[in-house]
Amino acid sequence: DAGVIQSPRHEVTEMGQEVTLRCKPISGHDYLFWYRQTMMRGLELLIYFNNNVPIDDSGMPEDRFSAKMPNASFSTLKIQPSEPRDSAVYFCASSFSGSSYEQYFGPGTRLTVT
Amino acid sequence: GDSVTQMEGPVTLSEEAFLTINCTYTATGYPSLFWYVQYPGEGLQLLLKATKADDKGSNKGFEATYRKETTSFHLEKGSVQVSDSAVYFCALSDKNAGNMLTFGGGTRLMVKP
Repeated sequence: DAGVIQSPRHEVTEMGQEVTLRCKPISGHDYLFWYRQTMMRGLELLIYFNNNVPIDDSGMPEDRFSAKMPNASFSTLKIQPSEPRDSAVYFCASSFSGSSYEQYFGPGTRLTVT
Repeated sequence: GDSVTQMEGPVTLSEEAFLTINCTYTATGYPSLFWYVQYPGEGLQLLLKATKADDKGSNKGFEATYRKETTSFHLEKGSVQVSDSAVYFCALSDKNAGNMLTFGGGTRLMVKP
């Protein structure tokens, strides 16, 4: 299995621009998680889906952030408009409800907003 | 709510030294416990896990024992290598919280030759 795939790996954009991060979970997994990691705040859960339905988005920082999962093999995290404080590494992870809850992480997208 | 507390780093050791990274947790149910490792520039990888009290998880020379009486899951390795330099995260999953994981703040380990 290819594991969790994220794209792009690096994104540099200017303040005010729209940014879209993409994730392909491991085939057969029914949970998908989006995290953000910064030096100051550590690892934060933004939102997670079960069977493509958003379950908990309480970690989404503000209305500028939105996430979708149109099907079992694809999810996006969008920031519009982006701000310098959004600079971070964004991770996608997936897991299977039939396992003992372990999550499998993608390599992350490093976002820099200038 | 559930929480995980790890010792703050960085932890700096010489090669072949003994490693302990402390982890304690608070949970209302009977969680599964995990250690994840993050190497520079990479995502988190599952290192080991334990699903019930007194279970010992082990992998790559690392081990941790699920201690319900002390609500702890300390990570140990008898002889660290330079290649073990990474950030280590303790985490728990409560059966009542779906597949969500609650992570500790991470502990950076630096191993010097």
